[in-house]
Amino acid sequence: GQNIDQPTEMTATEGAIVQINCTYQTSGFNGLFWYQQHAGEAPTFLSYNVLDGLEEKGRFSSFLSRSKGYSYLLLKELQMKDSASYLCAAPGAGSYQLTFGKGTKLSVIP
Amino acid sequence: DTEVTQTPKHLVMGMTNKKSLKCEQHMGHRAMYWYKQKAKKPPELMFVYSYEKLSINESVPSRFSPECPNSSLLNLHLHALQPEDSALYLCASSQDGQLVNEQFFGPGTRLTVL
Repeated sequence: GQNIDQPTEMTATEGAIVQINCTYQTSGFNGLFWYQQHAGEAPTFLSYNVLDGLEEKGRFSSFLSRSKGYSYLLLKELQMKDSASYLCAAPGAGSYQLTFGKGTKLSVIP
Repeated sequence: DTEVTQTPKHLVMGMTNKKSLKCEQHMGHRAMYWYKQKAKKPPELMFVYSYEKLSINESVPSRFSPECPNSSLLNLHLHALQPEDSALYLCASSQDGQLVNEQFFGPGTRLTVL
């Protein structure tokens, strides 16, 4: 499987920008996913990066550096409803199945 | 239809009961998954069905028994569960289980074993 690391918790203010980092092992890399999960609900897909660079989708952007084994999710103009866990996920080497990181719990405060 | 549906939403069962969780998708996806998620933990893969055949069983105890009657349906049969099996059970589907692609998750079944 993958060895995925991300911070456990973060707090940010409404209207601000927050960056959630994720590192993964680089051997057999096959793309990296970000999912959002509100408490008690299912994960919902946010982004999939397979090439280096920044991909923007509205208020959310995701960045990948394959050489550094590093990704981040950038959330702009934070809203209270963005309070959720953000899960970084990647397939393991030689596998198509996803391994999820432990998730970063983001709290947005007024 | 871009939804994965799961029933029931909540389930409470005793250790001697037999129950089933159901999952359905109508997106034409050929891969379906069962995950188990404990509180404040990430989802853990249990089973993968690819083209209606069980392709991955992540060393799950036999008291969990998956079934894929057709390409749209996935069941998880439960028998003689333990209290530590209480968790959120998530079903997901993706276009192809043999390629890396986005997984769509259902809302989950919150299972409590007494």
